[in-house]
Amino acid sequence: SQQGEEDPQALSIQEGENATMNCSYKTSINNLQWYRQNSGRGLVHLILIRSNEREKHSGRLRVTLDTSKKSSSLLITASRAADTASYFCATDETGANSKLTFGKGITLSVRP
Amino acid sequence: DARVTQTPRHKVTEMGQEVTMRCQPILGHNTVFWYRQTMMQGLELLAYFRNRAPLDDSGMPKDRFSAEMPDATLATLKIQPSEPRDSAVYFCASGSTSGRQTQYFGPGTRLLVL
Repeated sequence: SQQGEEDPQALSIQEGENATMNCSYKTSINNLQWYRQNSGRGLVHLILIRSNEREKHSGRLRVTLDTSKKSSSLLITASRAADTASYFCATDETGANSKLTFGKGITLSVRP
Repeated sequence: DARVTQTPRHKVTEMGQEVTMRCQPILGHNTVFWYRQTMMQGLELLAYFRNRAPLDDSGMPKDRFSAEMPDATLATLKIQPSEPRDSAVYFCASGSTSGRQTQYFGPGTRLLVL
């Protein structure tokens, strides 16, 4: 079953703009993670935010987590054409034995 | 540079044939996951192992799919008999329960069943 639901499903922006992607989930979690998938490749882990954290940064990535609203957002600042990919949120649900539940993903296109 | 490897990368077969996909997890990782990705269903978890023991295979069609870990360096996913609806990309991922709960994905096996 889908736990993480990303929004929007697709996003197209100009290089240099910021990209904001959202994820909502249903149950209590230990942490929430974001992954990137380039076309024809496997998923690559980007960033993890624990349930007791509200914001985390890594380079041009900023992730927020609001456990009261069961939602997270991923912000990519100063986007580049190389950021074109699909982005997935994944939740590590409480009691799920390290199993992650992935959303269906957001397709991000960054136009040069 | 440790990474998950999967073989074969591509497989074309005819309906009814057996398909075996192999995965070598990152050395030292004790969890292994098999996923299937299609446009319609997205990423689905098929099976999950911890310390080589199957923990969850509820996402796997039991009548035709089987997953095993003969040893810590090899995980296999078999489909017998294969059907056209099994066409998808199959990913293996590994992780460790002793550290960050992140998963490291292999490049996938792209399966086409005719």
